[in-house]
Amino acid sequence: AQSVTQLGSHVSVSEGALVLLRCNYSSSVPPYLFWYVQYPNQGLQLLLKYTSAATLVKGINGFEAEFKKSETSFHLTKPSAHMSDAAEYFCAVSDRGGTASKLTFGTGTRLQVTL
Amino acid sequence: SAVISQKPSRDICQRGTSLTIQCQVDSQVTMMFWYRQQPGQSLTLIATANQGSEATYESGFVIDKFPISRPNLTFSTLTVSNMSPEDSSIYLCSVTPQGAGYGYTFGSGTRLTVV
Repeated sequence: AQSVTQLGSHVSVSEGALVLLRCNYSSSVPPYLFWYVQYPNQGLQLLLKYTSAATLVKGINGFEAEFKKSETSFHLTKPSAHMSDAAEYFCAVSDRGGTASKLTFGTGTRLQVTL
Repeated sequence: SAVISQKPSRDICQRGTSLTIQCQVDSQVTMMFWYRQQPGQSLTLIATANQGSEATYESGFVIDKFPISRPNLTFSTLTVSNMSPEDSSIYLCSVTPQGAGYGYTFGSGTRLTVV
């Protein structure tokens, strides 16, 4: 079974500082990997996804993530945090199947951005 | 990408009663996924619903508690039966019309409070 582990349930950064949210995956086959963001009292929004050979994936709002097979990691980064980035971030994994592939979520990381 | 209309958006229910949540997709999809997000927690897959067959439930979830209907390729319902306060959660449906590599679309969620 596939799974993801998000290290750090809470991360606090200063505005303008680097954001680094960690995600490690476990999968017996090459997976698809996703990062979602959930703002307070809102639904899930896809930030980015890894599905192909391009290991550095750029997403929305200045976020990017790098797939490292040797480290089984897919960490999310943003060079400069904004106050509007404060939200819950979820890493998720699925197999490379079709429309029946299940998406499994990590436990989430709450990002706090301070002045 | 697909658009999902989920209803109701929120409800407050008495313990012992049942609530049926509806998800309507604007395109035909093979599978629909139902998730639960308990307060402050991540998303947990409840079941996968395939049109024309019984839903497949994940460990810890049973049909008697969470009956699912999937009458056609664009619609599904999830019922939360004999509710208790522990069922207070956000319930979401999701689809991946073109397969996992193209991403998943989520409904806006149903925020359920059981009193």
